[in-house]
Amino acid sequence: NAGVMQNPRHLVRRRGQEARLRCSPMKGHSHVYWYRQLPEEGLKFMVYLQKENIIDESGMPKERFSAEFPKEGPSILRIQQVVRGDSAAYFCASSQGPGSDYEQYFGPGTRLTVT
Amino acid sequence: LAKTTQPISMDSYEGQEVNITCSHNNIATNDYITWYQQFPSQGPRFIIQGYKTKVTNEVASLFIPADRKSSTLSLPRVSLSDTAVYYCLVGDIRDKIIFGKGTRLHILP
Repeated sequence: NAGVMQNPRHLVRRRGQEARLRCSPMKGHSHVYWYRQLPEEGLKFMVYLQKENIIDESGMPKERFSAEFPKEGPSILRIQQVVRGDSAAYFCASSQGPGSDYEQYFGPGTRLTVT
Repeated sequence: LAKTTQPISMDSYEGQEVNITCSHNNIATNDYITWYQQFPSQGPRFIIQGYKTKVTNEVASLFIPADRKSSTLSLPRVSLSDTAVYYCLVGDIRDKIIFGKGTRLHILP
């Protein structure tokens, strides 16, 4: 059973371009979470999705950022018109369900560098 | 979610037992205590979770006193490969995890 997959692992974008980060959850998992980690910092929650639904996007900036988890295919975190401050590691996690009974499994992350 | 306080960093030597304590004075009745480990350039990995008393698995032990206002992650006989950041998380984690800065554990030879 493959773990959580994220691609690309490294992404370089110039200011103003768009960044698309993909996350394929573990087989059988229908809950996906996105986190952002700045250097030397802990992970910060961004958004929680269940298939085709956004459950909680309280940690996601209201402008330029969007996320989706379609019925088929990976979850996508999209950042429009990137700025230098968007440079960070973005981690996705998946679980079988919500709640503390369901462990979140993290992917290897996508490192976004904005030049 | 309850706020947690843990040491910013710790050093230890190979073969020793390492104990990392986390304070969570405002823990709620429904809150679980969960510890994650993160190696450089990798995503966090679940280590252990508990509600009260003691929990042990193949990786670590978690000690939780009766008042549950703190918890201690115990790593037996650490090796160089245990060098990582360890996060203590407290909450009724129904939809998201709030990570603090964690404890940077550095194991010396």
